[in-house]
Amino acid sequence: DAKTTQPNSMESNEEEPVHLPCNHSTISGTDYIHWYRQLPSQGPEYVIHGLTSNVNNRMASLAIAEDRKSSTLILHRATLRDAAVYYCILRVLPVMNYGGSQGNLIFGKGTKLSVKP
Amino acid sequence: DVKVTQSSRYLVKRTGEKVFLECVQDMDHENMFWYRQDPGLGLRLIYFSYDVKMKEKGDIPEGYSVSREKKERFSLILESASTNQTSMYLCASSSPPTGTGDRYGYTFGSGTRLTVV
Repeated sequence: DAKTTQPNSMESNEEEPVHLPCNHSTISGTDYIHWYRQLPSQGPEYVIHGLTSNVNNRMASLAIAEDRKSSTLILHRATLRDAAVYYCILRVLPVMNYGGSQGNLIFGKGTKLSVKP
Repeated sequence: DVKVTQSSRYLVKRTGEKVFLECVQDMDHENMFWYRQDPGLGLRLIYFSYDVKMKEKGDIPEGYSVSREKKERFSLILESASTNQTSMYLCASSSPPTGTGDRYGYTFGSGTRLTVV
């Protein structure tokens, strides 16, 4: 499985933008880049995902490098509620009809984001 | 609001008991997953299912079994609970990626914190 590398922890100030980096130098052409976050005492929550182009949604933006070997999750204005562990994961797109373990999410250690008031 | 519901938030069981953890999703998702989460080890995949009555082993299936008799329900069974199965258990569901793209993320439940004494 293709691996991702994230910093163990980051700090941000409230109401400032946050850029969470992820390196995935062994990504293949069919791997989608997924981001999830896990707030304390809750299950992970889907944030955003993309393949090649930058993506925006109500929660965040995803900037994907042109060579796809890295990506950055952008929270435009951090709030105290954004303090969480953020996971960057590669999801394999199966070539054939789906079956078996292709496409399963494999979680790494993630980045623990702290937000200071 | 779409949901994955886990039957219990907290559970305490005795060593040797047979334990059932239930998970129900209301999104008509084909795929369902059971993870466990432990400090320092992150989320690890126990079992998953991509169709009714279909199941496949994840990374750590030993000591566990699963049942998927209906599309919306995926049960994790601890045949004979042991103290090393004390953990947070997370259920998730998703539609599978296909050859034409990956449109969906995973939806997780809130987790069941199981303590085996």
